[in-house]
Amino acid sequence: DAGVIQSPRHEVTEMGQEVTLRCKPISGHNSLFWYRQTMMRGLELLIYFNNNVPIDDSGMPEDRFSAKMPNASFSTLKIQPSEPRDSAVYFCASSTTGVEDTQYFGPGTRLTVL
Amino acid sequence: AQSVTQLGSHVSVSEGALVLLRCNYSSSVPPYLFWYVQYPNQGLQLLLKYTTGATLVKGINGFEAEFKKSETSFHLTKPSAHMSDAAEYFCAVAGNTPLVFGKGTRLSVIA
Repeated sequence: DAGVIQSPRHEVTEMGQEVTLRCKPISGHNSLFWYRQTMMRGLELLIYFNNNVPIDDSGMPEDRFSAKMPNASFSTLKIQPSEPRDSAVYFCASSTTGVEDTQYFGPGTRLTVL
Repeated sequence: AQSVTQLGSHVSVSEGALVLLRCNYSSSVPPYLFWYVQYPNQGLQLLLKYTTGATLVKGINGFEAEFKKSETSFHLTKPSAHMSDAAEYFCAVAGNTPLVFGKGTRLSVIA
């Protein structure tokens, strides 16, 4: 298996632009998670899906952030408009359904907003 | 609700010395406990996890951790550090919600 795939690996954009991050989970996994990692705040859960349905989006910072999972093999995290404080590494992870199940992380997308 | 406290944001050990990374958790339900490792510019990888059963859990690369309910702890140990162990280590807890991560401990290994 190829593992969790994220694209792009690096993104540099200017303030105000729209940014879309993409994730392909491991085939057969029912849960998908989006995290943000910064030096100041550590690893934060933004949103997670079970069977393509958003379960908890309480970690999404504000309305500028949105996430979708149109099917079991694809998810997007969109920031519109982007701001410099959004600069971070964004990780996608997937697992089978139980909370005791291992989450498998992608390599991350390093976002820089100028 | 769950939470995790990792004691020490940075731990430095000599090559060949004991590695001890501390983790305490809080959970209102029986916890599932995890240790993940992150190497530079990579995602997190599972080292080991405790779900039920034996409280001493062995993981990859010679690491192990012991679940101590009375102390609400899940400390990570390795008898002899190797240079390749230098990384960031995250403790995490799950229960009635998905993983909640600690802030991480950076392990440095000195030759």
